[in-house]
Amino acid sequence: QKEVEQNSGPLSVPEGAIASLNCTYSDRGSQSFFWYRQYSGKSPELIMFIYSNGDKEDGRFTAQLNKASQYVSLLIRDSQPSDSATYLCAGALGGGADGLTFGKGTHLIIQP
Amino acid sequence: NAGVMQNPRHLVRRRGQEARLRCSPMKGHSHVYWYRQLPEEGLKFMVYLQKENIIDESGMPKERFSAEFPKEGPSILRIQQVVRGDSAAYFCASSRDSGAGGDTQYFGPGTRLTVL
Repeated sequence: QKEVEQNSGPLSVPEGAIASLNCTYSDRGSQSFFWYRQYSGKSPELIMFIYSNGDKEDGRFTAQLNKASQYVSLLIRDSQPSDSATYLCAGALGGGADGLTFGKGTHLIIQP
Repeated sequence: NAGVMQNPRHLVRRRGQEARLRCSPMKGHSHVYWYRQLPEEGLKFMVYLQKENIIDESGMPKERFSAEFPKEGPSILRIQQVVRGDSAAYFCASSRDSGAGGDTQYFGPGTRLTVL
């Protein structure tokens, strides 16, 4: 059974600080991982994807993948109130061309 | 903006009626995925389709639910004889061809189904 685990939060971070979101997965066959942001009542919006061990940076966001530890994380630098949302971690087998397995999401609150 | 389109955005049905949810993928995308999000729950994969083919329906309930993606027109998720437990947000996602580098899925705005 493929599972993706996230701490539901809420995670409260002061504005301007670094927000660190974590995710673990059970299926060693998982090849690719995705971070989505979801505002209340809205659809998931892709933030980043990562396939290789190590770090991947895109603007204020850095995704980290450690396949040996089955661990994925997302760092948000210089957090803004507009970053307040639920962040969903998802994993896929192979190239990602199949159904994603989502965690339940971490509710992030950026305090002004 | 040729994003993923879903309609209707909101759908109200009475118990026992049928619900039809439609999804048009992004331009150039040939893979469609349906997910369900129950209140306070995570997104759950239901079915993965390509044109005229169901590739993976392992997340689809065995009864009352069906999906298709015809050669022409949108993908349809059909729920027969709806029950209150079917009330949820149903999201469609699409991706380009599979291949090396993965296949990023982009989500539509969703259909909020309410069963009275």
